[in-house]
Amino acid sequence: SQQGEEDPQALSIQEGENATMNCSYKTSINNLQWYRQNSGRGLVHLILIRSNEREKHSGRLRVTLDTSKKSSSLLITASRAADTASYFCATDAQGAQKLVFGQGTRLTINP
Amino acid sequence: DTAVSQTPKYLVTQMGNDKSIKCEQNLGHDTMYWYKQDSKKFLKIMFSYNNKELIINETVPNRFSPKSPDKAHLNLHINSLELGDSAVYFCASSHGQYSNQPQHFGDGTRLSIL
Repeated sequence: SQQGEEDPQALSIQEGENATMNCSYKTSINNLQWYRQNSGRGLVHLILIRSNEREKHSGRLRVTLDTSKKSSSLLITASRAADTASYFCATDAQGAQKLVFGQGTRLTINP
Repeated sequence: DTAVSQTPKYLVTQMGNDKSIKCEQNLGHDTMYWYKQDSKKFLKIMFSYNNKELIINETVPNRFSPKSPDKAHLNLHINSLELGDSAVYFCASSHGQYSNQPQHFGDGTRLSIL
C-alpha cells in the first residue's frame, strides 16, 4: 500500500510567494526524501532528512519532519516560475531497501 | 555527460508485441532500479539490482524481465504487451541498496500501446 501521501494535490501561487507542501506516511521510517519532477523529465533529488532530524535547509528549500505525527513538509521560499513542477515525498520502511513514493503535489508558479 | 540515460525516449507499439528499454548510468553506482509511473503520476518500484543481482521484484507480471549485464546497465524486456502497460518507465540508480541514499533518475521512456 502507498506509504507517503502529499497534500495538497495541486497548488497554484504567485511568483515570490512561499509554497508549502505536506507529506503524511503510515509506518515508522529511517529517512524521508523529497524529489522534484519537471514536466516530461525524471525525478530530481532535493533533500533527504533522517528520522532523528527535525529540520533541514537547502537554499530556498526547508524540510521539516515530525515523526510523532508521521508527517513532513517542504517549504519553498520566494518562489520562481522555474519552481513549477510536481513534488514527491518518498519514504522507506525500517530495514526496507526501497523507497515508496506518494502521488505528488503539482505546484504552479504564476508570473 | 548524462548521468542516467534511457533509450528509447518514446515507444509506440501494438498490443502483443515484445519490446525492450535500455538504461545506462555513468555515476559509478552499484544499485539500479526500474519504476513505472502511471497516468496519475503514481510512481511504483518494479525491480532493483545491486551489483547485477536482483534484490527487489515487486510482484510484477512475468512478462517483464529485467537484465543487468553489468552494474552500469539495467535493461527491461517486456513480452506480449498489454494496454495496461502504457505508462512512463523510469530507470534510476544509487550508491548502495538501502533507502538512505538519493536516487538519480533518467528522463523516462513513454510507452504507448495501441
